[in-house]
Amino acid sequence: DGGITQSPKYLFRKEGQNVTLSCEQNLNHDAMYWYRQDPGQGLRLIYYSQIVNDFQKGDIAEGYSVSREKKESFPLTVTSAQKNPTAFYLCASSNLRQGLNYGYTFGSGTRLTVV
Amino acid sequence: GESVGLHLPTLSVQEGDNSIINCAYSNSASDYFIWYKQESGKGPQFIIDIRSNMDKRQGQRVTVLLNKTVKHLSLQIAATQPGDSAVYFCAETKSGNTPLVFGKGTRLSVIA
Repeated sequence: DGGITQSPKYLFRKEGQNVTLSCEQNLNHDAMYWYRQDPGQGLRLIYYSQIVNDFQKGDIAEGYSVSREKKESFPLTVTSAQKNPTAFYLCASSNLRQGLNYGYTFGSGTRLTVV
Repeated sequence: GESVGLHLPTLSVQEGDNSIINCAYSNSASDYFIWYKQESGKGPQFIIDIRSNMDKRQGQRVTVLLNKTVKHLSLQIAATQPGDSAVYFCAETKSGNTPLVFGKGTRLSVIA
Protein backbone atom coordinates (compact mmCIF):
# COMPACT_ATOMS: atom_id res chain seq x y z
CA ASP A 1 0.00 0.00 0.00
CA GLY A 2 1.24 3.47 -0.81
CA GLY A 3 1.45 5.91 2.04
CA ILE A 4 3.43 8.17 4.29
CA THR A 5 5.05 6.82 7.43
CA GLN A 6 6.17 8.79 10.44
CA SER A 7 8.28 7.36 13.24
CA PRO A 8 8.40 7.12 16.10
CA LYS A 9 4.81 7.61 17.21
CA TYR A 10 5.94 8.91 20.61
CA LEU A 11 9.26 10.57 21.39
CA PHE A 12 10.67 11.96 24.60
CA ARG A 13 13.41 14.53 24.63
CA LYS A 14 15.56 15.74 27.46
CA GLU A 15 16.44 19.39 27.81
CA GLY A 16 19.31 20.34 25.49
CA GLN A 17 18.96 17.30 23.27
CA ASN A 18 18.52 17.19 19.53
CA VAL A 19 16.02 14.66 18.22
CA THR A 20 15.14 13.61 14.67
CA LEU A 21 11.69 12.69 13.46
CA SER A 22 11.44 10.41 10.47
CA CYS A 23 9.08 10.83 7.51
CA GLU A 24 9.06 8.45 4.54
CA GLN A 25 6.65 8.30 1.61
CA ASN A 26 6.27 5.82 -1.24
CA LEU A 27 3.69 7.82 -3.16
CA ASN A 28 6.26 9.30 -5.53
CA HIS A 29 5.13 12.73 -4.41
CA ASP A 30 7.28 15.70 -5.30
CA ALA A 31 6.67 17.85 -2.23
CA MET A 32 6.92 17.15 1.47
CA TYR A 33 5.98 19.26 4.46
CA TRP A 34 6.36 19.43 8.22
CA TYR A 35 3.67 20.96 10.39
CA ARG A 36 3.45 21.47 14.10
CA GLN A 37 0.16 21.18 15.97
CA ASP A 38 -0.36 22.38 19.52
CA PRO A 39 -3.40 21.31 21.59
CA GLY A 40 -6.59 22.88 20.30
CA GLN A 41 -4.69 24.64 17.55
CA GLY A 42 -4.39 24.44 13.82
CA LEU A 43 -1.37 23.33 11.83
CA ARG A 44 1.61 25.64 11.50
CA LEU A 45 4.17 25.13 8.75
CA ILE A 46 7.75 24.47 9.84
CA TYR A 47 9.56 23.57 6.60
CA TYR A 48 8.70 22.29 3.17
CA SER A 49 10.52 20.86 0.19
CA GLN A 50 9.38 20.68 -3.40
CA ILE A 51 12.43 18.99 -4.92
CA VAL A 52 15.36 16.95 -3.72
CA ASN A 53 18.19 18.93 -2.11
CA ASP A 54 16.02 22.01 -1.73
CA PHE A 55 13.75 23.21 1.07
CA GLN A 56 12.17 26.41 2.34
CA LYS A 57 11.38 27.77 5.77
CA GLY A 58 7.79 27.94 6.85
CA ASP A 59 6.24 30.20 9.46
CA ILE A 60 7.95 28.69 12.51
CA ALA A 61 11.30 27.32 11.29
CA GLU A 62 13.41 28.60 14.18
CA GLY A 63 14.89 25.75 16.22
CA TYR A 64 14.26 23.15 13.51
CA SER A 65 16.29 21.77 10.63
CA VAL A 66 15.50 19.46 7.71
CA SER A 67 17.16 17.67 4.82
CA ARG A 68 15.88 16.25 1.53
CA GLU A 69 18.56 13.97 0.20
CA LYS A 70 16.04 11.54 -1.29
CA LYS A 71 12.62 12.12 -2.78
CA GLU A 72 11.09 9.63 -0.39
CA SER A 73 12.49 11.03 2.84
CA PHE A 74 12.20 14.34 4.70
CA PRO A 75 13.52 14.04 8.28
CA LEU A 76 12.97 16.85 10.77
CA THR A 77 15.47 17.60 13.53
CA VAL A 78 14.23 19.43 16.59
CA THR A 79 17.28 21.17 17.98
CA SER A 80 18.03 22.38 21.49
CA ALA A 81 17.38 25.90 20.19
CA GLN A 82 13.67 25.11 20.02
CA LYS A 83 12.55 26.29 23.44
CA ASN A 84 9.07 24.78 23.46
CA PRO A 85 9.20 21.62 21.36
CA THR A 86 6.40 19.67 23.04
CA ALA A 87 3.79 19.25 20.31
CA PHE A 88 2.28 16.91 17.74
CA TYR A 89 4.33 16.88 14.53
CA LEU A 90 2.73 16.05 11.22
CA CYS A 91 4.47 15.25 7.97
CA ALA A 92 2.64 15.48 4.66
CA SER A 93 3.35 15.00 0.98
CA SER A 94 1.70 16.15 -2.21
CA ASN A 95 2.00 15.83 -5.94
CA LEU A 96 2.68 19.02 -7.84
CA ARG A 97 1.37 18.84 -11.37
CA GLN A 98 1.54 21.74 -13.74
CA GLY A 99 1.65 24.19 -10.87
CA LEU A 100 -1.66 23.05 -9.40
CA ASN A 101 -1.80 22.05 -5.77
CA TYR A 102 -3.36 18.79 -4.83
CA GLY A 103 -4.48 17.69 -1.41
CA TYR A 104 -1.88 16.56 1.05
CA THR A 105 -1.51 13.05 2.33
CA PHE A 106 -0.61 13.15 6.00
CA GLY A 107 1.29 10.74 8.16
CA SER A 108 -0.08 9.62 11.51
CA GLY A 109 2.09 12.03 13.45
CA THR A 110 4.80 11.99 16.12
CA ARG A 111 4.03 13.25 19.59
CA LEU A 112 7.14 14.84 21.06
CA THR A 113 7.38 15.53 24.78
CA VAL A 114 10.17 17.26 26.66
CA VAL A 115 11.00 15.55 29.95
CA GLY B 1 -0.79 38.51 7.64
CA GLU B 2 -3.53 36.87 5.68
CA SER B 3 -4.94 33.73 7.24
CA VAL B 4 -7.75 31.23 7.21
CA GLY B 5 -10.22 31.40 10.08
CA LEU B 6 -13.38 29.78 11.35
CA HIS B 7 -16.65 31.20 12.68
CA LEU B 8 -17.37 28.46 15.21
CA PRO B 9 -14.75 26.61 17.25
CA THR B 10 -17.18 23.88 18.45
CA LEU B 11 -20.35 22.39 17.02
CA SER B 12 -22.68 19.83 18.61
CA VAL B 13 -25.32 18.11 16.50
CA GLN B 14 -27.81 15.33 16.97
CA GLU B 15 -27.15 12.11 15.14
CA GLY B 16 -29.01 12.13 11.84
CA ASP B 17 -29.09 15.91 11.56
CA ASN B 18 -27.13 17.85 8.98
CA SER B 19 -23.96 19.69 10.05
CA ILE B 20 -22.59 22.89 8.61
CA ILE B 21 -19.05 23.97 9.38
CA ASN B 22 -18.00 27.43 8.26
CA CYS B 23 -14.69 28.98 7.35
CA ALA B 24 -13.68 32.51 6.37
CA TYR B 25 -10.59 33.15 4.32
CA SER B 26 -8.89 36.47 3.84
CA ASN B 27 -6.52 35.89 0.93
CA SER B 28 -8.50 36.85 -2.15
CA ALA B 29 -5.77 35.33 -4.32
CA SER B 30 -6.43 31.82 -2.97
CA ASP B 31 -7.91 29.56 -5.60
CA TYR B 32 -7.83 26.09 -4.08
CA PHE B 33 -9.53 25.02 -0.88
CA ILE B 34 -9.61 21.77 1.01
CA TRP B 35 -11.48 20.37 4.00
CA TYR B 36 -9.72 17.90 6.29
CA LYS B 37 -11.00 15.73 9.10
CA GLN B 38 -8.75 14.92 12.04
CA GLU B 39 -9.58 12.30 14.64
CA SER B 40 -7.87 12.38 18.00
CA GLY B 41 -4.20 11.41 17.83
CA LYS B 42 -4.23 10.93 14.07
CA GLY B 43 -3.16 12.86 11.01
CA PRO B 44 -5.73 14.87 9.03
CA GLN B 45 -7.63 13.07 6.30
CA PHE B 46 -8.70 14.66 3.04
CA ILE B 47 -12.46 15.07 2.76
CA ILE B 48 -13.17 17.22 -0.25
CA ASP B 49 -11.64 20.04 -2.24
CA ILE B 50 -12.87 22.82 -4.48
CA ARG B 51 -11.27 25.22 -6.91
CA SER B 52 -12.21 28.84 -7.27
CA ASN B 53 -13.86 28.28 -10.64
CA MET B 54 -16.60 26.32 -8.85
CA ASP B 55 -19.25 27.32 -6.30
CA LYS B 56 -20.24 23.88 -5.11
CA ARG B 57 -18.87 20.39 -5.08
CA GLN B 58 -20.46 17.25 -3.72
CA GLY B 59 -19.00 14.07 -2.38
CA GLN B 60 -20.41 11.19 -0.44
CA ARG B 61 -22.60 12.83 2.26
CA VAL B 62 -20.47 15.98 2.07
CA THR B 63 -20.85 19.19 0.13
CA VAL B 64 -18.46 22.11 -0.02
CA LEU B 65 -19.74 25.55 -0.90
CA LEU B 66 -17.53 28.44 -1.93
CA ASN B 67 -18.67 32.05 -1.91
CA LYS B 68 -15.89 34.12 -3.39
CA THR B 69 -17.79 37.37 -2.99
CA VAL B 70 -17.62 37.18 0.80
CA LYS B 71 -14.63 34.84 0.96
CA HIS B 72 -16.53 32.11 2.74
CA LEU B 73 -16.22 28.35 2.62
CA SER B 74 -18.54 25.82 4.21
CA LEU B 75 -18.68 22.08 4.67
CA GLN B 76 -22.05 20.41 4.89
CA ILE B 77 -22.33 16.89 6.24
CA ALA B 78 -25.63 15.14 5.63
CA ALA B 79 -27.15 12.73 8.15
CA THR B 80 -24.33 13.21 10.63
CA GLN B 81 -23.11 10.01 12.25
CA PRO B 82 -21.11 9.37 15.46
CA GLY B 83 -18.11 8.52 13.28
CA ASP B 84 -18.15 12.09 11.99
CA SER B 85 -17.06 13.36 15.41
CA ALA B 86 -13.66 14.96 14.85
CA VAL B 87 -11.94 18.28 14.29
CA TYR B 88 -12.46 19.74 10.83
CA PHE B 89 -9.97 22.09 9.22
CA CYS B 90 -10.28 24.20 6.15
CA ALA B 91 -7.15 25.02 4.20
CA GLU B 92 -6.38 27.37 1.36
CA THR B 93 -3.64 28.02 -1.14
CA LYS B 94 -2.92 29.75 -4.38
CA SER B 95 -1.98 27.52 -7.31
CA GLY B 96 1.68 27.71 -8.04
CA ASN B 97 3.05 25.34 -5.45
CA THR B 98 2.52 27.47 -2.36
CA PRO B 99 1.93 25.48 0.83
CA LEU B 100 -1.53 25.10 2.31
CA VAL B 101 -2.54 27.51 5.07
CA PHE B 102 -4.76 25.87 7.67
CA GLY B 103 -7.46 27.33 9.85
CA LYS B 104 -7.63 26.63 13.57
CA GLY B 105 -10.30 23.94 13.24
CA THR B 106 -13.85 23.25 14.42
CA ARG B 107 -14.64 20.38 16.73
CA LEU B 108 -17.77 18.50 15.68
CA SER B 109 -19.45 16.49 18.40
CA VAL B 110 -22.27 14.15 17.41
CA ILE B 111 -24.85 13.42 20.09
CA ALA B 112 -26.39 9.97 19.82
